[in-house]
Amino acid sequence: AQSVTQLGSHVSVSEGALVLLRCNYSSSVPPYLFWYVQYPNQGLQLLLKYTTGATLVKGINGFEAEFKKSETSFHLTKPSAHMSDAAEYFCAVSTLLNNDMRFGAGTRLTVKP
Amino acid sequence: GAGVSQSPRYKVAKRGQDVALRCDPISGHVSLFWYQQALGQGPEFLTYFQNEAQLDKSGLPSDRFFAERPEGSVSTLKIQRTQQEDSAVYLCASSLVAHNQPQHFGDGTRLSIL
Repeated sequence: AQSVTQLGSHVSVSEGALVLLRCNYSSSVPPYLFWYVQYPNQGLQLLLKYTTGATLVKGINGFEAEFKKSETSFHLTKPSAHMSDAAEYFCAVSTLLNNDMRFGAGTRLTVKP
Repeated sequence: GAGVSQSPRYKVAKRGQDVALRCDPISGHVSLFWYQQALGQGPEFLTYFQNEAQLDKSGLPSDRFFAERPEGSVSTLKIQRTQQEDSAVYLCASSLVAHNQPQHFGDGTRLSIL
């Protein structure tokens, strides 16, 4: 079955600094990859997704991620952090063969003023 | 258009009671998913519906958990004889089809078992 691993349960950056949240996946078939953001007491909101085609995908709020098959990675980046980016971020994977989406344990992003 | 709506937002029950959690998916969404999210963890898959058919219930932790979607729209997750370990946030998500389409999540029901 597919799975994802998010490296770093907590990441802290200064406002205006680069954000890098790491995600590695495992799948025996081509994966569909997603990043979601969760604010306190809310559900998950889609940031971006990769299914096929261009490996660099752009999402909302200035985030982007690059699918690297050779590294089995799908890291999330944003050039300049904003205070409003502070939240929990989840990487997720699904495939054509499975009904369920598998989530990582999440990375809590803190943005310091 | 309205997003995925879940009710109640918060539910407190005594151990041993039965609870029912409701999910109203986005209109027209064929697929519906239930997840359980423990504190500090990512969502864990419970079950999946395609229209009214429950195609996958492999994630349900025990036979105390039951889900239904009788008319292919609203879904109910029922937990019988609740235990303290059932305390979690229960998330519902819907999508047009499974696999490569993003799932749209509700805000969840926070269940606390005393």
